[in-house]
Amino acid sequence: DQQVKQNSPSLSVQEGRISILNCDYTNSMFDYFLWYKKYPAEGPTFLISISSIKDKNEDGRFTVFLNKSAKHLSLHIVPSQPGDSAVYFCAALYGGATNKLIFGTGTLLAVQP
Amino acid sequence: EPEVTQTPSHQVTQMGQEVILRCVPISNHLYFYWYRQILGQKVEFLVSFYNNEISEKSEIFDDQFSVERPDGSNFTLKIRSTKLEDSAMYFCASSLLGVADTQYFGPGTRLTVL
Repeated sequence: DQQVKQNSPSLSVQEGRISILNCDYTNSMFDYFLWYKKYPAEGPTFLISISSIKDKNEDGRFTVFLNKSAKHLSLHIVPSQPGDSAVYFCAALYGGATNKLIFGTGTLLAVQP
Repeated sequence: EPEVTQTPSHQVTQMGQEVILRCVPISNHLYFYWYRQILGQKVEFLVSFYNNEISEKSEIFDDQFSVERPDGSNFTLKIRSTKLEDSAMYFCASSLLGVADTQYFGPGTRLTVL
């Protein structure tokens, strides 16, 4: 099941710079997308979401961009902080009758002080 | 801030034994979910639950699995006869609405089947 893909298993960024995490999806029926952050031995923590009727959503240091034609979304974190170091998952929901989240494989972000 | 809680944090069991994983969803939420993550793999959906019945389940959620909301606050996942391959982190989640709504996750229960 490769409907949601995060092709970069890891990313290293300097503190204060921008982190860009990418996610691609294959199913055009997805209409709601979420980003979660996960520390080891903890549950996913919700960060930010976007509906397919929008192309951008911003919350503080976090911005999610959605390009429906390319079936691509990205999470921008600016400025990056060492506490942002974690695994980031994108997840997608189908429109309509299901509320099953489909997760990507995750990207490990390391923010270097 | 309201949060989803799960107990125990770690459960070790022998193959063939029954286990019950417990969750307390966020109090005003109406939809409840179980997911699992086998080490090194994706987080996978198991089941969703609304209005005291299963609304959707994955192919993983076979007859060995069951869910229950025994009272107004708890939500449980039972595995009747555990197998080695059931070893995973099990996450409970809840949401206020069903579709197009944010699901909030608990900290997980690490299940180890020996």
